[in-house]
Amino acid sequence: DAGVIQSPRHEVTEMGQEVTLRCKPISGHDYLFWYRQTMMRGLELLIYFNNNVPIDDSGMPEDRFSAKMPNASFSTLKIQPSEPRDSAVYFCASSPPPGQGAYEQYFGPGTRLTVT
Amino acid sequence: AQSVAQPEDQVNVAEGNPLTVKCTYSVSGNPYLFWYVQYPNRGLQFLLKYITGDNLVKGSYGFEAEFNKSQTSFHLKKPSALVSDSALYFCAARRNTGFQKLVFGTGTRLLVSP
Repeated sequence: DAGVIQSPRHEVTEMGQEVTLRCKPISGHDYLFWYRQTMMRGLELLIYFNNNVPIDDSGMPEDRFSAKMPNASFSTLKIQPSEPRDSAVYFCASSPPPGQGAYEQYFGPGTRLTVT
Repeated sequence: AQSVAQPEDQVNVAEGNPLTVKCTYSVSGNPYLFWYVQYPNRGLQFLLKYITGDNLVKGSYGFEAEFNKSQTSFHLKKPSALVSDSALYFCAARRNTGFQKLVFGTGTRLLVSP
């Protein structure tokens, strides 16, 4: 398997613009997670899905952030409008059903977002 | 609330020497415990996990970790460090019932000098 795939790898945009980050989880994994990593705040869980349904979005910083998972192989994280403080590395991760005994999450390479 | 503490921001060790990266956790009930490594400009990579059974677990690249329930610790160890082990290491924990979110520590930067 190719692992978790994220695109784009780098994104530079101006304040106020809409940004869409994309993720393809590992096939067969039914949990998908979006994280944000910054020097100041470390690694933060933003939202996670199970079987394409959002389960916990308590980490989403504000209404400017939204995430969708229209099918088992694709998820998006959208920021509209973007602000300089959104600059961070955004990771997508997936994990298999607990019954498969794996429990660990597998991370994508991340999208480095810079908002100027 | 669940939490993970990595008390050292940075650990320095000479190549060939043993290394230890510390982690303590606070999880109600029995924990599942994990170590991840992050190289520059890369995502987190799974190293090893403790789910049940033997307290000493072995993982990738010669790393191992010991689960100590009484001290609520899960320290990462390697008998002989390599310069290529230099990276950011994250400890993570969750409760072992149902599905629980992973709680990550703040990370420890390991620097191995030649």
